[in-house]
Amino acid sequence: GQQLNQSPQSMFIQEGEDVSMNCTSSSIFNTWLWYKQEPGEGPVLLIALYKAGELTSNGRLTAQFGITRKDSFLNISASIPSDVGIYFCAGPTTSGTYKYIFGTGTRLKVLA
Amino acid sequence: DAGVTQSPTHLIKTRGQHVTLRCSPISGHKSVSWYQQVLGQGPQFIFQYYEKEERGRGNFPDRFSARQFPNYSSELNVNALLLGDSALYLCASSLRAGVISDTQYFGPGTRLTVL
Repeated sequence: GQQLNQSPQSMFIQEGEDVSMNCTSSSIFNTWLWYKQEPGEGPVLLIALYKAGELTSNGRLTAQFGITRKDSFLNISASIPSDVGIYFCAGPTTSGTYKYIFGTGTRLKVLA
Repeated sequence: DAGVTQSPTHLIKTRGQHVTLRCSPISGHKSVSWYQQVLGQGPQFIFQYYEKEERGRGNFPDRFSARQFPNYSSELNVNALLLGDSALYLCASSLRAGVISDTQYFGPGTRLTVL
C-alpha cells in the first residue's frame, strides 16, 4: 500500500536556524499536505500542494511538490521556539477508499 | 467560526468495556473522518462518512463502528476494548468526500486510555 516516509525523524536546532525536512513515497500522490501537531492537539494544516513542481509559502514556511510526485519538502526559515512540534506530511490515496495517508512525522525541537 | 469539536477530551476505560466518542464538524462541512493515532505514530484512517453514509473503512476490526447523524455530527464506537486501543482518536471534517481540493480539518482529539 501507499506509505510516506519522513526524514529526519527528529531534529534539535538553535533558534534562528533554518529547517528542512522531506517526505518520500514509493507511489505517486496528486496532493501533498503538511500538518503540524503540538502535544495534546490535533494536526493543524500548514500548507497544501496540488500540482507537481508547485512551491507554496505560508509565512516562514515554504513547501514544494516534487516533480516526480513522489516527494515533498518543507522548509522553515528563522526558527522560533513556537515551531516546536511534530510535522507530518499527508496525501490522499489515489485508489480505493478516499483517505489521508500520513507520514511517520518529524519531531522538531528548538533550543532558545 | 468554531472548528471541529470532539468530546470527551480524555477518557479512561478498562478492558472489555465499550466507548463512544463524539465529533461535530465545521459548520457547512458534510463529511467526517475518524483516525486513530497511537503514541509516536502518524494518524491511521478508520472511517469516513458523508451524508450519513459510510464512504470508506480502514483496516480496523469490526469492534470499531461509526455513524453520522442528520446534522452531520458523528459518533465512533469501540466495543470490547483492548489495551492496544489506547490512542488519540481524531475527527476530521471536510466539505465533501473524495474531492482532493476539499482539505480535511482536524479536531483536538479524544485521548482514550484503556487499563
